[in-house]
Amino acid sequence: EPEVTQTPSHQVTQMGQEVILRCVPISNHLYFYWYRQILGQKVEFLVSFYNNEISEKSEIFDDQFSVERPDGSNFTLKIRSTKLEDSAMYFCASSGGLDWGTQYFGPGTRLLVL
Amino acid sequence: KNEVEQSPQNLTAQEGEFITINCSYSVGISALHWLQQHPGGGIVSLFMLSSGKKKHGRLIATINIQEKHSSLHITASHPRDSAVYICAVSPDKLIFGTGTRLQVFP
Repeated sequence: EPEVTQTPSHQVTQMGQEVILRCVPISNHLYFYWYRQILGQKVEFLVSFYNNEISEKSEIFDDQFSVERPDGSNFTLKIRSTKLEDSAMYFCASSGGLDWGTQYFGPGTRLLVL
Repeated sequence: KNEVEQSPQNLTAQEGEFITINCSYSVGISALHWLQQHPGGGIVSLFMLSSGKKKHGRLIATINIQEKHSSLHITASHPRDSAVYICAVSPDKLIFGTGTRLQVFP
């Protein structure tokens, strides 16, 4: 069964460093998403992406964040200058196959900012 | 006030019991999603529904659009059902509830 993959599974970084989280969505999907979940809190929407542009973003998704689909398979989330409060699990998801609205989630990247 | 409220927050059950998890929302939606989050953190989509009822194996999800309420039922619960169950609604982006932590004991 096709699945969404994410790399790395864990990342530790120093405050102020740039990080790039990578996702490979399901190949025939058209919509891509990033979510985050701070430890012990609920999942929060960050951004959605369709047709090579951002379709919606939350208040969390400020100028420090950017997304890119650099080729036909990868979907990346970049945090330019990480803060302590960026420590969270980041989930990528994709949708748009035969079961149109169902989102398929990747396993997540656990980011720890020190 | 949260736009998506779930109850209960925590639920324990004996194997074989019938489980009900409730979700109420306050925004207009195009669809409601039930998700399962495993102890390791991974999220699996269980259902997406916009009306009526859906069934998959031992899981049943219902939604009442007029009352802005949905329920997730698990019949004949099993220890492997232990997870956090999350309700999320989509006006457009997904808005998540805080989840219901279910533990099923043998």
